[in-house]
Amino acid sequence: DAGVIQSPRHEVTEMGQEVTLRCKPISGHNSLFWYRQTMMRGLELLIYFNNNVPIDDSGMPEDRFSAKMPNASFSTLKIQPSEPRDSAVYFCASSSGKGGLQPQHFGDGTRLSIL
Amino acid sequence: AQSVTQLDSQVPVFEEAPVELRCNYSSSVSVYLFWYVQYPNQGLQLLLKYLSGSTLVKGINGFEAEFNKSQTSFHLRKPSVHISDTAEYFCAVSDRGSQGNLIFGKGTKLSVKP
Repeated sequence: DAGVIQSPRHEVTEMGQEVTLRCKPISGHNSLFWYRQTMMRGLELLIYFNNNVPIDDSGMPEDRFSAKMPNASFSTLKIQPSEPRDSAVYFCASSSGKGGLQPQHFGDGTRLSIL
Repeated sequence: AQSVTQLDSQVPVFEEAPVELRCNYSSSVSVYLFWYVQYPNQGLQLLLKYLSGSTLVKGINGFEAEFNKSQTSFHLRKPSVHISDTAEYFCAVSDRGSQGNLIFGKGTKLSVKP
């Protein structure tokens, strides 16, 4: 079975550029989560969707960050403009989302470096 | 609000020794509890979960965890570790009434030495 697929795996770009991270959740899963992982702050939840609708975006650090889920099989996380402090590993996860009963399945992440 | 505390950021052990990774949580509501493992350059994988019933939960790779409600703990144990268990381990909690969003601890790096 295909797991959660994230692209790209690595992204290196210059400060000020727009960055778009992509995620394809597991088919049939109705909840999708975006996380950021850094040495300093650990694993932080940025935003999560249920049935393609954003439920909680309180973890999104600034207006420079935006996330969309146009359909059940695709989501994007965009940073515009990017800054060096955005460098991190970004993970996408999906679950069947029955009130926390089902575990989350993670992608392999996108390692983002902003120069 | 919920929180998860993993008391040890790093745990070095020798191969075939037992290990315990500690996790405490705080929550004003009933919760589900999870342990995830992260190998280098990979995403997190579920090791085990506690939803209800028996407080001793068995997971993959010989790991187990015990839910202790009075101590609000969910410690992870393995009686004999292998080199391949070297990874970072995350404890997480989910509010039973939530949409399934997890609150993670800071992680514990387990380093198994020969």
